[in-house]
Formats: sequence, structure tokens, C-alpha cells
Amino acid sequence: KAGVTQTPRYLIKTRGQQVTLSCSPISGHRSVSWYQQTPGQGLQFLFEYFSETQRNKGNFPGRFSGRQFSNSRSEMNVSTLELGDSALYLCASSLVGGGGEQFFGPGTRLTVL
Amino acid sequence: AQKVTQAQTEISVVEKEDVTLDCVYETRDTTYYLFWYKQPPSGELVFLIRRNSFDEQNEISGRYSWNFQKSTSSFNFTITASQVVDSAVYFCALSDSNYQLIWGAGTKLIIKP
Repeated sequence: KAGVTQTPRYLIKTRGQQVTLSCSPISGHRSVSWYQQTPGQGLQFLFEYFSETQRNKGNFPGRFSGRQFSNSRSEMNVSTLELGDSALYLCASSLVGGGGEQFFGPGTRLTVL
Repeated sequence: AQKVTQAQTEISVVEKEDVTLDCVYETRDTTYYLFWYKQPPSGELVFLIRRNSFDEQNEISGRYSWNFQKSTSSFNFTITASQVVDSAVYFCALSDSNYQLIWGAGTKLIIKP
């Protein structure tokens, strides 16, 4: 079974630009969660989508948004990029979400210059 | 408030030594889940174990073992006869009543040959 895939793996953007990251979950998994990982703040939950609906949202500004498609693939968008948005963005898929096991993709390394 | 504390920032041991990674959590929920994940240098988070709050049985999987004690709100992880391939950052996480994963800061484990 293919694992969680994330594209692109690396991105370099400049302040003020916007970016879209993509995540394809494990086949059959309906829950996709997004996390931001930085050296200073560690791992922080961004949001979770389940069957195309946002089910949970972390404490991030509205510049961070996401969506999920009918095939469970998910995208995350960050608008008006700031230097502090430089991070590893991790996507995790789960069969049902909740307290279940989450399987992570390799992440997208975003650098904002 | 929900919180996960991994007090050990970095641990360095010589191969074949046993090592225990500590995890202390705080939650008001009676139902919750605890997790351990491994993050090797490649960056991808690897699921190790999930434990629900009603199951205090210790678990052993090969060289890995976990000790869950609700009385002290701890969920410690022990690697027996460590190997160089165990070198990674290990994260403990708590799934709260909203099913968001709350992460500890991680413990960097260095196994020297």
C-alpha cells in the first residue's frame, strides 16, 4: 500500500507570496491532518479534514487554510507569507481520525526569504 | 490545559546500553490517547505505539517497551540494547477530547557506536 505523499518536497518563496501544498493520503483513509514543525515551536496542529469537512482547527491565523477533495486528497494554502512561516509542513492520514493512528508523509520544507 | 512534557532534550548513550525516554502529560479528559513517534534524520514521523487511557498494561515490542502509569501521568519509553539505527528524535503526543494531537518537544537520542 502506498504511503502518504506530499508535494512538493521543497519550496522557496518570498515574503508576501502565497503557497499551496498538497497531500495524498493512504488509500481508504478519510482523515487528513496538517502540522507545522519549527525548531522554536516544535510540532503544532494546523487543522484536520474528514470527508471534505474541516473537523478541527489549531491556533493559527486565517492566512492558513486548507481543503479536502472527494478523493481525500488535501491541500493547504498559506497566503501573504511571512518569514516565520518557514517550517516543515507535515501531513498525516488516518482511517477515521480522532484518536487513531496517524501516518505521516515526508513533509514539505518551506523556506520564506 | 492539555500539555505534554519531555524534559530530556537530548540523550547520548553508547550502543547496547538501555535508555529510557520520559513523557509526562496533563489532561482533564478521562478518555485520551497517548502516542510515541520517531523522527529519523530523513524527517518523516514514524508511528511507534498508541495507548488509550483505559489500558494501563505495559507493552513490549522487540527491543522497545512502554510503561504507562496514570497515577503519575507518565508514558515512558525504553529501548533495550540500543543500536545506532535508533538515533532519532522521539516525540510523545496526547490526543485530546477534540482529537488534536498535542506534542511534546521531543527528545533527541544519539546512539554512539
